[in-house]
Amino acid sequence: DAGVIQSPRHEVTEMGQEVTLRCKPISGHDYLFWYRQTMMRGLELLIYFNNNVPIDDSGMPEDRFSAKMPNASFSTLKIQPSEPRDSAVYFCASSLVWGGDGYTFGSGTRLTVV
Amino acid sequence: GNSVTQMEGPVTLSEEAFLTINCTYTATGYPSLFWYVQYPGEGLQLLLKATKADDKGSNKGFEATYRKETTSFHLEKGSVQVSDSAVYFCALSHIIQGAQKLVFGQGTRLTINP
Repeated sequence: DAGVIQSPRHEVTEMGQEVTLRCKPISGHDYLFWYRQTMMRGLELLIYFNNNVPIDDSGMPEDRFSAKMPNASFSTLKIQPSEPRDSAVYFCASSLVWGGDGYTFGSGTRLTVV
Repeated sequence: GNSVTQMEGPVTLSEEAFLTINCTYTATGYPSLFWYVQYPGEGLQLLLKATKADDKGSNKGFEATYRKETTSFHLEKGSVQVSDSAVYFCALSHIIQGAQKLVFGQGTRLTINP
């Protein structure tokens, strides 16, 4: 398996523009997680899905953020409109239902909003 | 609630030095414990894990033992290399609403000088 695949690796956009981040989880993993990493706040869980259904979005900072998982092999995280304070590295991770195997992370998308 | 506290960084050592990064946790029940490593510009990678008390996880010369009596999972390596320079995250997993949730420490940045 190629692991968790995220795109793009880097994104630079202007304030007010819409940004879409993409993730392909590991085949067979039932859970998908979106994290944000910044120097100030460390790793923050934004939202997670089980079998394509959003379970907990309490970490989503505000209504400008939305996430979807239309099928088992694809998820998006959208920011509209983007703001400079959204600049961060966004990680996607996936995991099996049970077991002590932890998560498998993607390489992340570094977002810069200018 | 469940939480993880890591030794504050940054930590700077010389090559071949002995490494310890402290990690303690607070949890109900019997969580699994993990160490993840993040190399510059990459996502988090699972380094090692332990699923029950007294288990020792090991990988790439790193070791950590699950100590229930002291609620600790300290990371050790006998002789570090420059290539070990990275950020290290301690984490615990617990089950909430059927999902394996990981709780991460704040990360410890390690720099090894030649």
